[in-house]
Amino acid sequence: ETGVTQTPRHLVMGMTNKKSLKCEQHLGHNAMYWYKQSAKKPLELMFVYSLEERVENNSVPSRFSPECPNSSHLFLHLHTLQPEDSALYLCASSQGGGNEQFFGPGTRLTVL
Amino acid sequence: AQSVTQLGSHVSVSEGALVLLRCNYSSSVPPYLFWYVQYPNQGLQLLLKYTSAATLVKGINGFEAEFKKSETSFHLTKPSAHMSDAAEYFCAVSDTNRDDKIIFGKGTRLHILP
Repeated sequence: ETGVTQTPRHLVMGMTNKKSLKCEQHLGHNAMYWYKQSAKKPLELMFVYSLEERVENNSVPSRFSPECPNSSHLFLHLHTLQPEDSALYLCASSQGGGNEQFFGPGTRLTVL
Repeated sequence: AQSVTQLGSHVSVSEGALVLLRCNYSSSVPPYLFWYVQYPNQGLQLLLKYTSAATLVKGINGFEAEFKKSETSFHLTKPSAHMSDAAEYFCAVSDTNRDDKIIFGKGTRLHILP
């Protein structure tokens, strides 16, 4: 595998379910990100991890819980979501220093 | 603080015509600038980036962008549009206060007319 991978690619869950999104980067980067992309809304930065430490949490509801066990892996744990949380969730990584971010293909989440 | 403004949420051009997607930035220091493309149900892919070297930057798929400091612009162009260019395009600027963060514009949806 190369680049940034995300699993699953599609997820349908009920409001009472608990699920996790997984992201893995094979680029040797030291920063990882979660973004939310909803229809007709700008890209929203959710969380930033730098050197495995969370450095930003953009007022994201507690029903979203990130985890970064090492520099290559990033998870987003989901519980008691709302229908308005349905969106494309994108993971990205970068080397920092103002350099570009590399994105995964995203997980299309539907909350029923 | 840095910011990016993309003019036009939707742009339509005929196949074979010039593509011009506009981006203006705000930054108190020389920024790094980026253009990304996103095809349906995919992640964002880097088209090109400006990092204070040549002001005319060439990217993938025949796209290029010119950094104009006097106009605070970084417009994306392609001489001849293809149907496969239909996608959403995002302009972005590095956050000079946080070197691990990029600020994205709202995106421009490019439609190609046959």
